[in-house]
Amino acid sequence: GAVVSQHPSWVICKSGTSVKIECRSLDFQATTMFWYRQFPKQSLMLMATSNEGSKATYEQGVEKDKFLINHASLTLSTLTVTSAHPEDSSFYICSASWLAGPNEQFFGPGTRLTVL
Amino acid sequence: KQEVTQIPAALSVPEGENLVLNCSFTDSAIYNLQWFRQDPGKGLTSLLLIQSSQREQTSGRLNASLDKSSGRSTLYIAASQPGDSATYLCAVKGQAGTALIFGKGTTLSVSS
Repeated sequence: GAVVSQHPSWVICKSGTSVKIECRSLDFQATTMFWYRQFPKQSLMLMATSNEGSKATYEQGVEKDKFLINHASLTLSTLTVTSAHPEDSSFYICSASWLAGPNEQFFGPGTRLTVL
Repeated sequence: KQEVTQIPAALSVPEGENLVLNCSFTDSAIYNLQWFRQDPGKGLTSLLLIQSSQREQTSGRLNASLDKSSGRSTLYIAASQPGDSATYLCAVKGQAGTALIFGKGTTLSVSS
C-alpha cells in the first residue's frame, strides 16, 4: 500500500517559536494532501486541504497566517506552526491521496507537538 | 455540513464476545466510508474501506456494512480479543478528492 511519512514524530518547543512538520508520500505522487489536528481524547479535525502548486484551503476557524501550509511538490507538504503557543500543543496528522488512484487517503504516523 | 456520530463512545466487553460499533452520518451523498483503528498516542490504521456502491466489506474477523440511504454503517467484530482494544474511528468522504470527515470514535476495551 501507499506509504506516507511525517517528520519529526515528536517535537517540543518554547512558546513563540515556529515549528515545521514535513509530510512525504514515499511511493506515489500526492496530488492532494490534507492536514488534521487531534486534541487529547478528541477526534481528528480537518485543518486544511492542499493541492500541489496551489494555495491551501483552510477550514473555518483555522488561522491561515498561523498554520502555513506549502505543497510545492507532488511528494512533499509542510505545515509550519508560527509563533506557537501552549494551546497549539496537539497531534498533527497528514494524509495524502491522488485523483487517478483509488481515491483513498493514506495517513502519516502523526507528529506530537508540545509547546512549553 | 456533514456530521459523523459514533455510538457508543466507549465499550467494555469480555474476551470472545461479538460486538457491533455504530456510525451514522447526516448527508447520505457520500463517496466512500472508512473504518480506522487508533491505538493510544499512535496514528491511524485503516481497517476497511467501503465505496458508496458497496454494501459491505470483510477482513478477517471484521465486517463493515453500509446503508447509504439511511446514513448508517456498522463495524462488526467477531470473537473479540484483548488485542482489539483501541479506539475505532468512522470517517466519510463526500466527493472524490475531498477530505475524510471523522466521528469522535468508540473506545473499545476487551478484557481477558
